[in-house]
Amino acid sequence: DTGVSQDPRHKITKRGQNVTFRCDPISEHNRLYWYRQTLGQGPEFLTYFQNEAQLEKSRLLSDRFSAERPKGSFSTLEIQRTEQGDSAMYLCASSRDSGYGYTFGSGTRLTVV
Amino acid sequence: GESVGLHLPTLSVQEGDNSIINCAYSNSASDYFIWYKQESGKGPQFIIDIRSNMDKRQGQRVTVLLNKTVKHLSLQIAATQPGDSAVYFCAEIPVYNQGGKLIFGQGTELSVKP
Repeated sequence: DTGVSQDPRHKITKRGQNVTFRCDPISEHNRLYWYRQTLGQGPEFLTYFQNEAQLEKSRLLSDRFSAERPKGSFSTLEIQRTEQGDSAMYLCASSRDSGYGYTFGSGTRLTVV
Repeated sequence: GESVGLHLPTLSVQEGDNSIINCAYSNSASDYFIWYKQESGKGPQFIIDIRSNMDKRQGQRVTVLLNKTVKHLSLQIAATQPGDSAVYFCAEIPVYNQGGKLIFGQGTELSVKP
């Protein structure tokens, strides 16, 4: 296992379309996190999972956003009816229960046109 | 409010010099701190971490110093190389945050001149 994998790396979509991103965490990590990062800013927390349970959601996660981790392994983040303001880098990270080993993937760059 | 801030948005150093990147945090309940390096178009890369029960930790060419009295964190990079050019973020996990949510600052852009 070489780290956290995200797919796709880049996504260009038209406003109003739905998009889905995938994250494969480090296999022995129980925790999986989604962050969003806009240009020049630090990543902002969106949500996290402990195994398959989604335990916290940020206020940034509007009802157009949904995340799942059905088997406690990979996770998907879906954005419905995309808006231009959704354009950002979406980062996935995973860690052990203690928080150690907090590792980020390379991100999915979303551009809404 | 809770925040992790950085004193300098940009830092330019000569190759071979030592770099010091600073970070101020306001949450005295923070328990765990991490420094990340982020290159353009890539995700944050873990550099070094430190727990609140420590005041110094060393890695390869990097040292993190934690001063809980003044809520200050710094990253020292020895013999800075062109490959060190990137944006550096400090991040914290408050002790009450069992979920491990990281709170990031805005970052310091390090530029290394050859």
